[in-house]
Amino acid sequence: QKEVEQDPGPLSVPEGAIVSLNCTYSNSAFQYFMWYRQYSRKGPELLMYTYSSGNKEDGRFTAQVDKSSKYISLFIRDSQPSDSATYLCALDTGRRALTFGSGTRLQVQP
Amino acid sequence: GAVVSQHPSWVICKSGTSVKIECRSLDFQATTMFWYRQFPKQSLMLMATSNEGSKATYEQGVEKDKFLINHASLTLSTLTVTSAHPEDSSFYICSARDIRYEQYFGPGTRLTVT
Repeated sequence: QKEVEQDPGPLSVPEGAIVSLNCTYSNSAFQYFMWYRQYSRKGPELLMYTYSSGNKEDGRFTAQVDKSSKYISLFIRDSQPSDSATYLCALDTGRRALTFGSGTRLQVQP
Repeated sequence: GAVVSQHPSWVICKSGTSVKIECRSLDFQATTMFWYRQFPKQSLMLMATSNEGSKATYEQGVEKDKFLINHASLTLSTLTVTSAHPEDSSFYICSARDIRYEQYFGPGTRLTVT
């Protein structure tokens, strides 16, 4: 079993839709939770960073962490074609490098 | 947000030669930098953790004599691919971690070995 599981997609939605991206994890030592966006042939860009259970909102993005269920989510409201990218969840115990999910490819259709 | 640069962004080299990739944190100090490798349509795979002033820690299966890492200052880490072979062709990405444990990634370096 992988430490972090993420549906690779692809996920195709119409412009304006609400997008839900999810990861599950097995290691309870993970304390820091991040979402990165990666465009093709570019480095990952940090979108959201949180270290506690609950919701964190930033513009059209909401990150949700449920430590009891070992489940994290990223919601994108009013999705735009420019949101089309691969979204990677990343988890950290605080002592080592990030453990990434496999990434979900998102395509927002205009 | 914090900015991490990589140089070069794209390099082509002949089999058997060595290639050096630089990773710089431009507006913050990074005691720890990480080197990742990414194949097409796959996620990032950690190669090594680089701490300023000490030897890098390599992940299992990564040849330390082939992938030389030097972290000479709080803003610069280098990865040298020695005696490169076509199977080393990949997208190499570095990241730098700030004091809040947030990691920022460079734009990546595409290496093609012919």
